[in-house]
Amino acid sequence: AQRVTQPEKLLSVFKGAPVELKCNYSYSGSPELFWYVQYSRQRLQLLLRHISRESIKGFTADLNKGETSFHLKKPFAQEEDSAMYYCALVATSGTYKYIFGTGTRLKVLA
Amino acid sequence: EPEVTQTPSHQVTQMGQEVILRCVPISNHLYFYWYRQILGQKVEFLVSFYNNEISEKSEIFDDQFSVERPDGSNFTLKIRSTKLEDSAMYFCASTLPGRGLPIFFGPGTRLTVL
Repeated sequence: AQRVTQPEKLLSVFKGAPVELKCNYSYSGSPELFWYVQYSRQRLQLLLRHISRESIKGFTADLNKGETSFHLKKPFAQEEDSAMYYCALVATSGTYKYIFGTGTRLKVLA
Repeated sequence: EPEVTQTPSHQVTQMGQEVILRCVPISNHLYFYWYRQILGQKVEFLVSFYNNEISEKSEIFDDQFSVERPDGSNFTLKIRSTKLEDSAMYFCASTLPGRGLPIFFGPGTRLTVL
C-alpha cells in the first residue's frame, strides 16, 4: 500500500537550532517525493522535490531508498519557518494520485 | 505565474442543501484533484480527474459527491446533500503529469455546514 508517515505532529525548536522533519514512505515502485508547506490559513505550497535536489529557503531533503525516508532538514531555523509541513508521494504509474502525510507543525521559538 | 483559483472562499450552507465548489485549474494542466482538510487534520484525497472522467476516488467520495468539467476551464465539486461532517476546507489542485512535476493547489474553499 502507498503510505506516507510523518511521526511527529508537533516539533518545537529555538531560533537558530537545526531542524529535521521526518518522513517515511511505503511504495513498491519508484516514488517521487515532495515537501509542501502550509502557512497559517494559506494554500499548500511546494517547498521542494526530491528529483531536483534543490535547496529552498535553506531546506534540503535527501531521498534514502534503503530507509525509505525523505527527511526535511534545515541547519538554522528561523521564526518565519513556523508552519505546517507535509511530505507527499506521487504514484508515477496510473492515476498520478498524490498522497500526503499527516503533517508536522513546526514552531520556531524566539 | 499561473495559479489555481477557487470560488467562493467561504460557503455557508444548511445541512441537506446542495453546494457546488468551483475551481479554475492552471490552463495547460491535465490532471485535476479535490482534496479535503478538516480543521486541524490532514489533507485527504477525494478524487482525481483526467480526460473528462474520474481516474481515482477515495472512500470519502461517495454518491453524494460528483465532479464535472463543464467547459474548458472550470472544474467543479458538487455535494448533493451536505452533512455536518462535510464541514472542511476543500482544495482544488492540478498538475501536468510528468516526472518530478508537483501538484499545485488553489487557496481553498471553507465549507461550513450548519
